[in-house]
Amino acid sequence: DGGITQSPKYLFRKEGQNVTLSCEQNLNHDAMYWYRQDPGQGLRLIYYSQIVNDFQKGDIAEGYSVSREKKESFPLTVTSAQKNPTAFYLCATTSGGGLSRYKGTSTDTQYFGPGTRLTVL
Amino acid sequence: SQQGEEDPQALSIQEGENATMNCSYKTSINNLQWYRQNSGRGLVHLILIRSNEREKHSGRLRVTLDTSKKSSSLLITASRAADTASYFCATGRGGSYIPTFGRGTSLIVHP
Repeated sequence: DGGITQSPKYLFRKEGQNVTLSCEQNLNHDAMYWYRQDPGQGLRLIYYSQIVNDFQKGDIAEGYSVSREKKESFPLTVTSAQKNPTAFYLCATTSGGGLSRYKGTSTDTQYFGPGTRLTVL
Repeated sequence: SQQGEEDPQALSIQEGENATMNCSYKTSINNLQWYRQNSGRGLVHLILIRSNEREKHSGRLRVTLDTSKKSSSLLITASRAADTASYFCATGRGGSYIPTFGRGTSLIVHP
């Protein structure tokens, strides 16, 4: 987990609330990712960002929003439009991933944070 | 969309035994990676094997890759209780560097 912090570790949300999950890294990595993991399931990509001020939707972006104002930070907001937000959220980084790599076919090693478990009350 | 799929979904063995899990994928790849996830934690990278490699070792881990069958296997030798975790393979989706993860194999090693 070293170098990537996620907070809080546990988060509880009431119906209709927006909540923001924090992801900070000190690895000086270009690319950052948000994944959602449901019990017994793999990781599903929500959003990713290759460089500052740029981000792309993943497979399940509806009901989520992100920003990338700083290289070190990639917060994820779970909006009230996300109808089933209870899940384990993982942030990850890769050292590559700038625009020059976008069309590549190699897969960089990903480094993961410890995760945030979000529960809707 | 699921690119890699691990098999079996669950595996229960005794300490000292070997554990083998498999990953199948659909499109051509440049490399394939294996990750481990302890319960309630983030994933940890274990090993990367490139498409021009057939076998790779790291400690008690042995990974093979058969590009003709679009499959890979992860072997953990002399397993320990501390190896209890979920194991995921990750491959790049066609034309992109972004990895796709399978649903994982849940390994339980009984002491």
